[in-house]
Parts: sequence; C-alpha cells; structure tokens
Amino acid sequence: KAGVTQTPRYLIKTRGQQVTLSCSPISGHRSVSWYQQTPGQGLQFLFEYFSETQRNKGNFPGRFSGRQFSNSRSEMNVSTLELGDSALYLCASSELVSGGAGETQYFGPGTRLLVL
Amino acid sequence: AQSVAQPEDQVNVAEGNPLTVKCTYSVSGNPYLFWYVQYPNRGLQFLLKYITGDNLVKGSYGFEAEFNKSQTSFHLKKPSALVSDSALYFCAVRDRVGGATNKLIFGTGTLLAVQP
Repeated sequence: KAGVTQTPRYLIKTRGQQVTLSCSPISGHRSVSWYQQTPGQGLQFLFEYFSETQRNKGNFPGRFSGRQFSNSRSEMNVSTLELGDSALYLCASSELVSGGAGETQYFGPGTRLLVL
Repeated sequence: AQSVAQPEDQVNVAEGNPLTVKCTYSVSGNPYLFWYVQYPNRGLQFLLKYITGDNLVKGSYGFEAEFNKSQTSFHLKKPSALVSDSALYFCAVRDRVGGATNKLIFGTGTLLAVQP
C-alpha cells in the first residue's frame, strides 16, 4: 500500500496570509491526525478526524482548522499566518478500528511551512 | 496529566556497541507506548509499540524495547548499533483521556549519534 502523502512538501508564505495543507491517508485508514513540529515546542497534537468528524483537538488557536472528506483525505488550514507558525506539519493515519486501542499511526513526510 | 520524558537529548555510541535510548512515562491506567524514528527532513517512522503482553517488544530494524511497569519505563534498545541508526528518536504514549482517540503525546526526542 502507498504510504501517507502530504502536499505540498514545502511552502513559503508571508505573515497575514493563509495556507491549506493536504493529506491523503493510507488506503483503508479512516482516522487522520495532524501534528506540528517545531524546535522549541517539539511535536504537538493539532487535531484528529474520523469519518469526517473532529474527534479531538489540541491547544491551538482558532486560526488552525481542519476537515476530513468522505474519502478520508484531510486538509488543514491556517489563517492569518504568524512567524511562529513556521514548522513541519505532519499528518498521520490509522485504522482506529476499536476506538482508540493500540492502532499504529503512520506518518507522512510532512509539509515544511516557512512564514516570512 | 499524561506525559513522556526522554531524559537524554543526545546519546553517543560506537558502531557495533549496544545502544539504549531511555523513556519514562506518566499515565493513568495501562499505557500504550510507541517508538518512532525521524531521519533529517523526513516524517516519523514507526519502530514498535507496547499494548499488552510480553514486556519485551521487538520491532523494525533490529530494535526492541522493554516495558517496565514498576519503573514506568519503556527504553529502546539494539544489540549492535549501525551508523545508519543515527537519527532522532521519539517515545510517545497514547492519550487515554477523553475517550477514543489516536492522539499521541510525544517526548522531546533523543538524537542518536553512532560513530564509525
């Protein structure tokens, strides 16, 4: 099976702009999670979607939003970009068959966002 | 609050020697523990996980981890290190608060440097 894919891989934006990142999960996976990775804060959970519903949300401002489509593909959007939003954004997918037991999350290569 | 600690920012080991990357956790209830590896400019690759059962878990690329409930630890080990093992290693625990979720709480990461 193909792995998790994320587009674009690299992105440069300026402050105040908005950005949309895309994630295609592994075929058959219905759960998609997003994480932000920065040198200062490490890996932080953004949100999780399952069957087009947000199941969980991390401690990020409302400028960060996401959605999931019926084919399980997911997008996240960041509006009014700030310099501190520069990060590697990672998407992960899993089957979530039994409601949060031991399913493994498989990560994509990430989208590196630079805000100038 | 649930958390994971990786007490060493960096571990240095000579090629051919055994390696250990340390991880301790603090969770309510039984922990679901994971190890991931990240190579430069890449996403996270799953190595292994502990859900239940044998305390010694075997994973990819010759890695294994030992779950120790009394010491609340889940150290990653490999009998003989390779230069190609040099990477950033993350320990993570599944968030058990809030019901069914795939949310992972990550440690700060340990940089493993294997010298030839």
